[in-house]
Amino acid sequence: EDQVTQSPEALRLQEGESSSLNCSYTVSGLRGLFWYRQDPGKGPEFLFTLYSAGEEKEKERLKATLTKKESFLHITAPKPEDSATYLCAVQASGANNLFFGTGTRLTVIP
Amino acid sequence: GAVVSQHPSRVICKSGTSVKIECRSLDFQATTMFWYRQFPKKSLMLMATSNEGSKATYEQGVEKDKFLINHASLTLSTLTVTSAHPEDSSFYICSAPQAGRDEQFFGPGTRLTVL
Repeated sequence: EDQVTQSPEALRLQEGESSSLNCSYTVSGLRGLFWYRQDPGKGPEFLFTLYSAGEEKEKERLKATLTKKESFLHITAPKPEDSATYLCAVQASGANNLFFGTGTRLTVIP
Repeated sequence: GAVVSQHPSRVICKSGTSVKIECRSLDFQATTMFWYRQFPKKSLMLMATSNEGSKATYEQGVEKDKFLINHASLTLSTLTVTSAHPEDSSFYICSAPQAGRDEQFFGPGTRLTVL
């Protein structure tokens, strides 16, 4: 059965304090791993898609990496506007739907 | 590009009434759309897959007679919560993949409160 575990559940950082969020997954053949950002009361906003181990994607202060068992979302020198819940999801081979983790709630303090 | 809208954004209804939520892909066509439900501080749970021109596919445990899905066109899917009860109160979000891409684009969500 597909499983996605994100850690930590919540993370508080000082502005400028870099850190990483973890997404461990088990899936019967990975088609893709996705990172989304969700603000309170809003729908998820797409960030990255990763397909194979060793792949990396970057966007502004965010960098996502992928291994065969987990993905990391690295946040470099975060700003208060980076505060949000970050969701990880996997898509199995042959499937159209996404299976989500419970997210990491990030708070960046000025 | 890849914008998905939902309407209404928020709805309050009385127990026993039905509520319709619309999901539209504004700048692309979507033969498939997905409906999710999200409880406070929880992740998204897939309810059903909406297929244009055919019946929706429901996840295990989701009552198809209670959550009616109609995918009327390539840009519109509707979710009707029939005979709503307080336990149906939740945040409902739709998504759609753009042709040729694996990622899904999400609507802004609909907050349903059943009194």
